[in-house]
Amino acid sequence: AQSVTQLGSHVSVSEGALVLLRCNYSSSVPPYLFWYVQYPNQGLQLLLKYTSAATLVKGINGFEAEFKKSETSFHLTKPSAHMSDAAEYFCAVSERYGNKLVFGAGTILRVKS
Amino acid sequence: GAGVSQSPRYKVTKRGQDVALRCDPISGHVSLYWYRQALGQGPEFLTYFNYEAQQDKSGLPNDRFSAERPEGSISTLTIQRTEQRDSAMYRCASSLGTGGVYEQYFGPGTRLTVT
Repeated sequence: AQSVTQLGSHVSVSEGALVLLRCNYSSSVPPYLFWYVQYPNQGLQLLLKYTSAATLVKGINGFEAEFKKSETSFHLTKPSAHMSDAAEYFCAVSERYGNKLVFGAGTILRVKS
Repeated sequence: GAGVSQSPRYKVTKRGQDVALRCDPISGHVSLYWYRQALGQGPEFLTYFNYEAQQDKSGLPNDRFSAERPEGSISTLTIQRTEQRDSAMYRCASSLGTGGVYEQYFGPGTRLTVT
């Protein structure tokens, strides 16, 4: 069975600092991997996804993530945090031919001025 | 165009009552998914439709939960004889096609509170 572990339920960074949100997955088959962001009172929005092309994936709002098979990781980074990045972030995995997403518990990002 | 919409956005009901939650997917999206999200957790898969066919209902917790999509568009998730443990955010998503390569677009969710 697939599973996702997000280390740190809350992460706090200063504006302009590096953002690093950790995600490790477990999957018996090559997975597809996703990062979603959730703003208050809004639906989940896709930030980026890995579907077996380049291992470094660039997404919206300056975020990127690197797929590391040897570490079963898909950490999300952004070089310089902005106040508008404050939100909850979810890592998710799916099988290539499957349809359901399996989500981690989420990480709430706080950006301090 | 319009995104995925869900109604009602908030629902408070008494224990034992039935509730129906509605999802209106993006026009032309053939796949529709239901997820449940408890406080402090990520969304958890409930069921999935391809057009009007319910392809996977492995995530429905028990037989009080059912879903339909009779015309391959709007879907309804019904919870019978609600219990307090059913309180959660219920999220709907739709996608252009089947398979992990297709992005799932999520609606704003319905917050269900069972008192």
